[in-house]
Amino acid sequence: SQQGEEDPQALSIQEGENATMNCSYKTSINNLQWYRQNSGRGLVHLILIRSNEREKHSGRLRVTLDTSKKSSSLLITASRAADTASYFCATAPEYGNKLVFGAGTILRVKS
Amino acid sequence: DAEITQSPRHKITETGRQVTLACHQTWNHNNMFWYRQDLGHGLRLIHYSYGVHDTNKGEVSDGYSVSRSNTEDLPLTLESAASSQTSVYFCASSDTPAGTQHFGDGTRLSIL
Repeated sequence: SQQGEEDPQALSIQEGENATMNCSYKTSINNLQWYRQNSGRGLVHLILIRSNEREKHSGRLRVTLDTSKKSSSLLITASRAADTASYFCATAPEYGNKLVFGAGTILRVKS
Repeated sequence: DAEITQSPRHKITETGRQVTLACHQTWNHNNMFWYRQDLGHGLRLIHYSYGVHDTNKGEVSDGYSVSRSNTEDLPLTLESAASSQTSVYFCASSDTPAGTQHFGDGTRLSIL
């Protein structure tokens, strides 16, 4: 069963626009992670946010975490065609010992 | 640079055959994982290992087995391949059980 559920399933935007993806989860967590997957490749870790953090930045990425709503969002600012990929959230349950991945959001950035 | 490699990248086999997918990591990580990725299901955990001689079943372990004889390798074996096991398989490793995972580029397995 999946802990994290991403929304939307697919997103298509123009280059230069911002892209926002959301992740909801069901149980308490230690941390939440976001990964990117380019076509035909493995997942690549983007950012990790701990349960006691509310916001984190890395370059053009901004991640927020609301533990009261059990949700997180990933914002990619000033998107580029190279950002076209699938994006997955993964949660580390508070009383678990392995990550649980969501089904992902497919992002297409049109140039 | 440390890396995680999977082989083969592509394989076609017949139902009923035994198939082994290789995973080798040079991160010196204790924790290793096997996932399958299918449209509509995201990543599903097959088996995982927290160290040498340790193996655990994931959510979709039926028909699969793993063994961990050293830190670097976690081969995945399909005992008797079935068409339902046609999928893309990913291996990953991490420093801590629920920490950041490093992934291989996957094996695309087709069972005819």
